[in-house]
Amino acid sequence: AQSVSQHNHHVILSEAASLELGCNYSYGGTVNLFWYVQYPGQHLQLLLKYFSGDPLVKGIKGFEAEFIKSKFSFNLRKPSVQWSDTAEYFCAVRRPNAGNMLTFGGGTRLMVKP
Amino acid sequence: NAGVTQTPKFRILKIGQSMTLQCTQDMNHNYMYWYRQDPGMGLKLIYYSVGAGITDKGEVPNGYNVSRSTTEDFPLRLELAAPSQTSVYFCASSREAITGELFFGEGSRLTVL
Repeated sequence: AQSVSQHNHHVILSEAASLELGCNYSYGGTVNLFWYVQYPGQHLQLLLKYFSGDPLVKGIKGFEAEFIKSKFSFNLRKPSVQWSDTAEYFCAVRRPNAGNMLTFGGGTRLMVKP
Repeated sequence: NAGVTQTPKFRILKIGQSMTLQCTQDMNHNYMYWYRQDPGMGLKLIYYSVGAGITDKGEVPNGYNVSRSTTEDFPLRLELAAPSQTSVYFCASSREAITGELFFGEGSRLTVL
């Protein structure tokens, strides 16, 4: 079983719709959390990250994510999507006390219709 | 800036053939990684390196080998290609492990027939 779960594999939205992509992890203890994005034909790039402090993290291009420790979740949100947000989104978890390597979720492919 | 460069971008292999995926970075990063990406499975770590001369296995190392003779280069070798190795391979680098920010190459799509 995957230790980082993204339950929505494919999401289709119209422009201006609100977005929420789920991410859950199964690790206890301290975790660092990340969202990466892969636009069509491009390499993966960091969207935002959470290490500590305010659980609501703001990233690039109007994205934000909320860390809810009690739910082991780090969902990605955007109030109003654009066609240019069409991409694949990956959640990733790093465990500082377990090798520091990133473990990625299965990805969510988002298509935004113009 | 070049960042992380992978070659080739596409390759078709026959079962049993061998090949090397090249990866080079010009950011003087200590950490380098090889991932494979399969549909719906996310990215799985194959091998990683924390510096020149040091490599270690990730989640799915079987069938692959790596070397790290310089800071810049981190080639991935497939000795006896199998259909299960059909995938998209990504090389990445980071200055350190703590920040978790990886810089990725554009990927290499490998098909084994």
